[in-house]
Amino acid sequence: GQNIDQPTEMTATEGAIVQINCTYQTSGFNGLFWYQQHAGEAPTFLSYNVLDGLEEKGRFSSFLSRSKGYSYLLLKELQMKDSASYLCAVRSSASGYALNFGKGTSLLVTP
Amino acid sequence: DTAVSQTPKYLVTQMGNDKSIKCEQNLGHDTMYWYKQDSKKFLKIMFSYNNKELIINETVPNRFSPKSPDKAHLNLHINSLELGDSAVYFCASSLGTAVEKLFFGSGTQLSVL
Repeated sequence: GQNIDQPTEMTATEGAIVQINCTYQTSGFNGLFWYQQHAGEAPTFLSYNVLDGLEEKGRFSSFLSRSKGYSYLLLKELQMKDSASYLCAVRSSASGYALNFGKGTSLLVTP
Repeated sequence: DTAVSQTPKYLVTQMGNDKSIKCEQNLGHDTMYWYKQDSKKFLKIMFSYNNKELIINETVPNRFSPKSPDKAHLNLHINSLELGDSAVYFCASSLGTAVEKLFFGSGTQLSVL
C-alpha cells in the first residue's frame, strides 16, 4: 500500500506565499502529482514531478525529493481564488500506475 | 464540448435499490477510472479500465460492477445500495496507464437514505 501524508488545513493571507508539504511511502515510484479541487467541483491537474527538483509553472511550483519521499507545492502571490483543496497523488508500479491520492490540504486564503 | 461527462449529477435513492452512473469521454483516451470521494474529501480509486479491459480493481464490494462497452464509456452499476455508499463518484480518463494527467468528470453526488 501507500502512505501519503499532507496537512489537513492551512490558512494564508492574500499576496503571501504558502508551501504545502506531502510525504509518501511507496514501492515502484513513478511520479508525484498535485491537483486542485474547489468545493463542489472536480479535481484539476496542477503539476507533475518524476525527477528530483523544482518544476515551475507561473505562480505555482512543485518540488520533489525521491530519496526523502517528499514533495511540496509552493503557491506565490496568493489570490482569494486559490482557496481550495490541494491533493497530492502518487503513481507507482505497485498500484498498477493509477494515481493514489492523499487526503488533501484545505487552503483558506484570507484578505 | 465536455471532455469527460458523467450522469446523473445528483442521485438520491433508498437503501437496497440498484442504480447506475454513466460516464463518457470524447478525448480519445484509452484508460478510464472510477474514484470515490467520501465526506472527508478522501479520493480513493475503485476501478481502472484500459481499452475495455479491467486493469485495477481495488478492494471494493462486489455490489459495485463496472462495465465498459467501448473505450469511450465506463459505467458503474451499484446493487443493494447501503448508507455507506453515499459519496461523490468521479469518473476520469487518461491517454494511457502511465501518463501525466487525469481528466475528471464533474462528479455524481450519491445520497442513500
